[in-house]
Amino acid sequence: DQQVKQNSPSLSVQEGRISILNCDYTNSMFDYFLWYKKYPAEGPTFLISISSIKDKNEDGRFTVFLNKSAKHLSLHIVPSQPGDSAVYFCAASVLVRALIFGKGTTLSVSS
Amino acid sequence: KAGVTQTPRYLIKTRGQQVTLSCSPISGHRSVSWYQQTPGQGLQFLFEYFSETQRNKGNFPGRFSGRQFSNSRSEMNVSTLELGDSALYLCASSWYRHDTEAFFGQGTRLTVV
Repeated sequence: DQQVKQNSPSLSVQEGRISILNCDYTNSMFDYFLWYKKYPAEGPTFLISISSIKDKNEDGRFTVFLNKSAKHLSLHIVPSQPGDSAVYFCAASVLVRALIFGKGTTLSVSS
Repeated sequence: KAGVTQTPRYLIKTRGQQVTLSCSPISGHRSVSWYQQTPGQGLQFLFEYFSETQRNKGNFPGRFSGRQFSNSRSEMNVSTLELGDSALYLCASSWYRHDTEAFFGQGTRLTVV
């Protein structure tokens, strides 16, 4: 049973436009959510996180939105840049337990 | 400061053998977690160690084990290797909570033949 789902395996966006990556979860007990970016041959790199008590968190070009009633998380990248092309993983955890990852979305930003 | 270091980067083993992977966390980090990444299953949590104690464990068979030393360095061991154990094994370190801003190493690519 997949508790964290990234239903879009891939997303293509033009440079300068907005990239929106989505993530759905099933476990209402999740209290912390994170986004990681991964380039080939490298380990995932932490991007941004949000606690379940918030509904929005911003860090530069990256904003994460949390909709608890819909059990939905999204990552907005504005403006998108070619260097943002990577695999993006959504992750969630419950009370310092295991980090549960989605299967990732491959973002391609074309110039 | 130095990042998370995993050794070796690549490994080829034969079915039935056992393997040990090593992870050196960022200096000062006390939590070390291990993940398995495969194309079909994505990133799956194996276990987490904090101050030499296993604090969390994922849903993997007992063939997968680990330990953490007093200097926070960690090793994971897989015994009786199966073809399905071929994967990228990632180690992540964080100061206290493994589910917050964890820093990942580059991983060890294990191939079982």
